[in-house]
Amino acid sequence: DVKVTQSSRYLVKRTGEKVFLECVQDMDHENMFWYRQDPGLGLRLIYFSYDVKMKEKGDIPEGYSVSREKKERFSLILESASTNQTSMYLCASTNSGGSYEQYFGPGTRLTVT
Amino acid sequence: RKEVEQDPGPFNVPEGATVAFNCTYSNSASQSFFWYRQDCRKEPKLLMSVYSSGNEDGRFTAQLNRASQYISLLIRDSKLSDSATYLCVVNPSNNAGGTSYGKLTFGQGTILTVHP
Repeated sequence: DVKVTQSSRYLVKRTGEKVFLECVQDMDHENMFWYRQDPGLGLRLIYFSYDVKMKEKGDIPEGYSVSREKKERFSLILESASTNQTSMYLCASTNSGGSYEQYFGPGTRLTVT
Repeated sequence: RKEVEQDPGPFNVPEGATVAFNCTYSNSASQSFFWYRQDCRKEPKLLMSVYSSGNEDGRFTAQLNRASQYISLLIRDSKLSDSATYLCVVNPSNNAGGTSYGKLTFGQGTILTVHP
């Protein structure tokens, strides 16, 4: 079975802190994604990566950056956390080609106070 | 206009009922279509892909109408365990003609509650 893991299920940070969210997948997938999910807004794509060291902005990249140094690991970085970044963050991965089924991690619920 | 639009519901139905969800998408060049299911406080998981010819998986039937840019999901004989949020998902084409890298666009989801 595909497994996508995220470093934390719940995280509380203060405004202005630098926050790292990590995601690891074990299926050798090329493509990895970071989303945030908010009530009434659904899943919105923040960044994605289609190869090691390659990244592309999604729909809402402002205030975020990403890092992909190894194929299995994709990190989301909040350079200076703000209260409007309080959200559920979901990581996903998929292969290139094929059905494009995305496999999700369990999510990290981040609260910025 | 949103790329993928769904009626958010909620739909409250009794066990055994038949319920249908609809979804429209704006990008006529979209390539692939899916329904995902998300349980409360859990991650989304693929329920089924949607093919032009329509497809069925047990009590679930998905249909695609490319001309109308419309996708549907029918659930027959609803069970309590069907209670969840159902996400309509589209793999949009890359307008430059290149690969989409598996990017998906998610609808807001339709909440279904099945009660005894």
